[in-house]
Amino acid sequence: SQQGEEDPQALSIQEGENATMNCSYKTSINNLQWYRQNSGRGLVHLILIRSNEREKHSGRLRVTLDTSKKSSSLLITASRAADTASYFCATAAYGGATNKLIFGTGTLLAVQP
Amino acid sequence: DGGITQSPKYLFRKEGQNVTLSCEQNLNHDAMYWYRQDPGQGLRLIYYSQIVNDFQKGDIAEGYSVSREKKESFPLTVTSAQKNPTAFYLCASSGWDSVGYTFGSGTRLTVV
Repeated sequence: SQQGEEDPQALSIQEGENATMNCSYKTSINNLQWYRQNSGRGLVHLILIRSNEREKHSGRLRVTLDTSKKSSSLLITASRAADTASYFCATAAYGGATNKLIFGTGTLLAVQP
Repeated sequence: DGGITQSPKYLFRKEGQNVTLSCEQNLNHDAMYWYRQDPGQGLRLIYYSQIVNDFQKGDIAEGYSVSREKKESFPLTVTSAQKNPTAFYLCASSGWDSVGYTFGSGTRLTVV
């Protein structure tokens, strides 16, 4: 069963704007990860945040984690047309195989030039 | 260059046939995974293996089989028992010292 659900399902913005995607999950986690998928390709790992962290940055990416609400958000600042892709959150369950990930349903981001 | 290779990129299966999807990695990762992705959907876990000669079922293992005879290889067989096999199949690997998964570029399987 799907662990995470992202919203919105689809997002269209102009180049230069910020894009925010949200992820909700159901059970306690060890860590939460975000991945990017270009159309018809494999996924690429973007960033990992551990359950004892609240915020993490990597370049133009900012991830927050609220374990009390079982939710996370991914912010992409100053978006570019090349950011157009699907974005997935994935969770590693607490107490389970820490390397076994359950993926969410994804957000399709379109950045208009 | 280290990476994970899936082949073939496109595969066509006739009704009642078994087909095998290849996944090879040279990253020295212990764990390997197979996911299925349907159009506009997320990834669903089929099987995973944390060490050689051992593997576990994921959420949708029915109609699929795997083997893990070598650390580098984790082939997936889609059997005739899988009634709706048309999908995009993704293989991934991870190691104890890696952050996140490394994915292959996928195999698109179509039933004809």
